[in-house]
Amino acid sequence: DAGVIQSPRHEVTEMGQEVTLRCKPISGHDYLFWYRQTMMRGLELLIYFNNNVPIDDSGMPEDRFSAKMPNASFSTLKIQPSEPRDSAVYFCASSLGSPNEQFFGPGTRLTVL
Amino acid sequence: AQSVTQPDIHITVSEGASLELRCNYSYGATPYLFWYVQSPGQGLQLLLKYFSGDTLVQGIKGFEAEFKRSQSSFNLRKPSVHWSDAAEYFCAVGAERNEKLTFGTGTRLTIIP
Repeated sequence: DAGVIQSPRHEVTEMGQEVTLRCKPISGHDYLFWYRQTMMRGLELLIYFNNNVPIDDSGMPEDRFSAKMPNASFSTLKIQPSEPRDSAVYFCASSLGSPNEQFFGPGTRLTVL
Repeated sequence: AQSVTQPDIHITVSEGASLELRCNYSYGATPYLFWYVQSPGQGLQLLLKYFSGDTLVQGIKGFEAEFKRSQSSFNLRKPSVHWSDAAEYFCAVGAERNEKLTFGTGTRLTIIP
């Protein structure tokens, strides 16, 4: 199995631009989680899906953030407009059932200038 | 609500020495407990997990952890560390009927020759 796939691995953009992060979960997993990791705040859960349906988005910091899961094999996290304080590493993770082991992708390092 | 505390932000040990990383959780019922490791620039990888049964859990890379209900702890141990163990270690707790995992703030492990 290829594991959780995230793209791009690195993204550098300017303030005000739209950023789209992509995730392909492990086939057969029914939960998908988006996290953000920073030095100051550690690992934060932004949103999670069960069977492609958003269950809890209480961790999404602002309306500038949105996430979708149009099918079982693809999810996006969009930031529009981006701001320098959005600079962080964004992880996608998937699991079979929950709570259960979450398999993490390699992350997307976002830098907003 | 569940919570987890990793009291040690940074630990330095000599190669070949034993290691114990502390994790304390707060949850009324039996928790679901996890230890993850994160190497620089990578995602989190599961070392071991505890759901029920034997309170001493064996994981990958020679790690083990012991669940102690009376102390609300799930400490990670390794009898002899290798330079490749240098990484960040995260403890996480989940609960039945709660699909989210709560992660600790992490412990950074440095290995000296």
